[in-house]
Amino acid sequence: DAMVIQNPRYQVTQFGKPVTLSCSQTLNHNVMYWYQQKSSQAPKLLFHYYDKDFNNEADTPDNFQSRRPNTSFCFLDIRSPGLGDAAMYLCATSRGTFGNEQFFGPGTRLTVL
Amino acid sequence: DQQVKQNSPSLSVQEGRISILNCDYTNSMFDYFLWYKKYPAEGPTFLISISSIKDKNEDGRFTVFLNKSAKHLSLHIVPSQPGDSAVYFCAASVGTGANNLFFGTGTRLTVIP
Repeated sequence: DAMVIQNPRYQVTQFGKPVTLSCSQTLNHNVMYWYQQKSSQAPKLLFHYYDKDFNNEADTPDNFQSRRPNTSFCFLDIRSPGLGDAAMYLCATSRGTFGNEQFFGPGTRLTVL
Repeated sequence: DQQVKQNSPSLSVQEGRISILNCDYTNSMFDYFLWYKKYPAEGPTFLISISSIKDKNEDGRFTVFLNKSAKHLSLHIVPSQPGDSAVYFCAASVGTGANNLFFGTGTRLTVIP
């Protein structure tokens, strides 16, 4: 089955220790997204790649970076995690044309100690 | 600033009855609206969508209604089934191309057998 895969599902890191979250897709979609969802809050878009073009949301902290080495993979790098970065991180994909729905992975829950 | 609001955190409905989930938005530029369903430990799954040129879209037991003048949309599930128990997110987007989705905080639906 075509899908969006996120690894790991649970990630524990220490305050200030860099961490990388991974997303892969078998849908061959040209757009990949990263969302942050804190408890009882709405998922919030951090950034997305339209093919190789990187689009950062204006209020995404500089602490968050992303890489997309190829169509299938996208990484979220948190350079110096703070306690406030503990959240569920959701990866999604879409075909990028108007009105297309986004397909989500199961998410990675990040804990910062 | 939450542009998409779901003011009811939870809703309980008897099996076989109608479930009505509500969503309000503030940005008049939104022209495409989606509902996602989320089960525990899974990512959100696309359920149904509606373009701003329509006021109703139906797919089986699920119907979405859009009232642009009131900036309000609702999801009707008839008849409700226990398997519908999940968190439902309303989302909205602006324009064409890659869709930056703005999510509500979700409504937890419980269908009581």
